[in-house]
Amino acid sequence: GAGVSQSPSNKVTEKGKDVELRCDPISGHTALYWYRQSLGQGLEFLIYFQGNSAPDKSGLPSDRFSAERTGGSVSTLTIQRTQQEDSAVYLCASNPAGGPGANVLTFGAGSRLTVL
Amino acid sequence: TQLLEQSPQFLSIQEGENLTVYCNSSSVFSSLQWYRQEPGEGPVLLVTVVTGGEVKKLKRLTFQFGDARKDSSLHITAAQPGDTGLYLCAGAKGGSYIPTFGRGTSLIVHP
Repeated sequence: GAGVSQSPSNKVTEKGKDVELRCDPISGHTALYWYRQSLGQGLEFLIYFQGNSAPDKSGLPSDRFSAERTGGSVSTLTIQRTQQEDSAVYLCASNPAGGPGANVLTFGAGSRLTVL
Repeated sequence: TQLLEQSPQFLSIQEGENLTVYCNSSSVFSSLQWYRQEPGEGPVLLVTVVTGGEVKKLKRLTFQFGDARKDSSLHITAAQPGDTGLYLCAGAKGGSYIPTFGRGTSLIVHP
């Protein structure tokens, strides 16, 4: 596609339920990032995929969070047993090179998650 | 402690005023990016600065990278309501593939 596509755009769920958020990056972009944006907190890095390399999961806040990227394209972020503090906008971004010095990201519109 | 500190956090001004937003760090960056984010959208890249002391202009926006490559500023001349948004600076330390973002400056320009 022309841009980074994320779905759903909005998700309201009950505490304790699992949620899946999807990201479809720009075609040909080998690097894919997930960030979380909470009110007043800026963008918090979650996980980074680059080609076939093992993902950098150093930003995942707990073991309830996981992500996968199938076929080097679409990525799914899964949050198990959601908590109210998981409420945030989850942003996906992609990058054509992913190498050092590139660092220019194209973002999707985000998935707003509300946990009741 | 934030790697990139942005100030001010909030700015509310009248159309036609000038403003400067700052992005500071104690670390050296190979490059810094500035993004603007509007409600309901993801951040959109405005500019990348790479060379210490570099100045880049984008219409009424002027971006500067500090000589030591630890800080940057964004100056807007004669602000317009269309400039309203969240301005974010970002950078990755040498060798890292993962940009860190500042908390942003929320700008409102009143007509």
